[in-house]
Amino acid sequence: GESVGLHLPTLSVQEGDNSIINCAYSNSASDYFIWYKQESGKGPQFIIDIRSNMDKRQGQRVTVLLNKTVKHLSLQIAATQPGDSAVYFCAENIRDMRFGAGTRLTVKP
Amino acid sequence: DTGVSQDPRHKITKRGQNVTFRCDPISEHNRLYWYRQTLGQGPEFLTYFQNEAQLEKSRLLSDRFSAERPKGSFSTLEIQRTEQGDSAMYLCASSLGAPSENEKLFFGSGTQLSVL
Repeated sequence: GESVGLHLPTLSVQEGDNSIINCAYSNSASDYFIWYKQESGKGPQFIIDIRSNMDKRQGQRVTVLLNKTVKHLSLQIAATQPGDSAVYFCAENIRDMRFGAGTRLTVKP
Repeated sequence: DTGVSQDPRHKITKRGQNVTFRCDPISEHNRLYWYRQTLGQGPEFLTYFQNEAQLEKSRLLSDRFSAERPKGSFSTLEIQRTEQGDSAMYLCASSLGAPSENEKLFFGSGTQLSVL
């Protein structure tokens, strides 16, 4: 499944499928980006980060892609699990961390 | 637990009352941030400290809001004469905060404020 960030704030995928969450950032001068996961009643939790001199970075089951030309960031989650259900935020660092509105990921068993 | 801790977790108050929240950052972290989050939205930046110095304040931070970090360790956020529009989750975060370095923020679980 794939979301378009602010235009589709909810993404529903089947357990085991791959998820793609997209984010458009605002400032071409931003040089550091983070994806956070927020579960209900908790603060945001760091998932993965990427600096502007990179196009791709991989973590455990997660990959972040950065396209500076169109100011676009995506988070790919492989083999999505029920525990991945949460709201995902991209954040860009200008002088401080600024967050997008988020995408709610729901994983169906 | 060596993460960011916030107290209280929940606060219910009547309009017009003052409230104060506390944040204890990760001990070696120099930077401390306050954010506000309303339902369905991402966290909105309020202010941040480098050690005890408050370096930036958002225009969201009206004169009813004041934040302190007197010894460069824990921080307090006070809201005076609360209004119903102040109802939100108040999040604290910290980072190592070396200047000109981009660093990830570690968040606490937040204080949920409800103004009746």
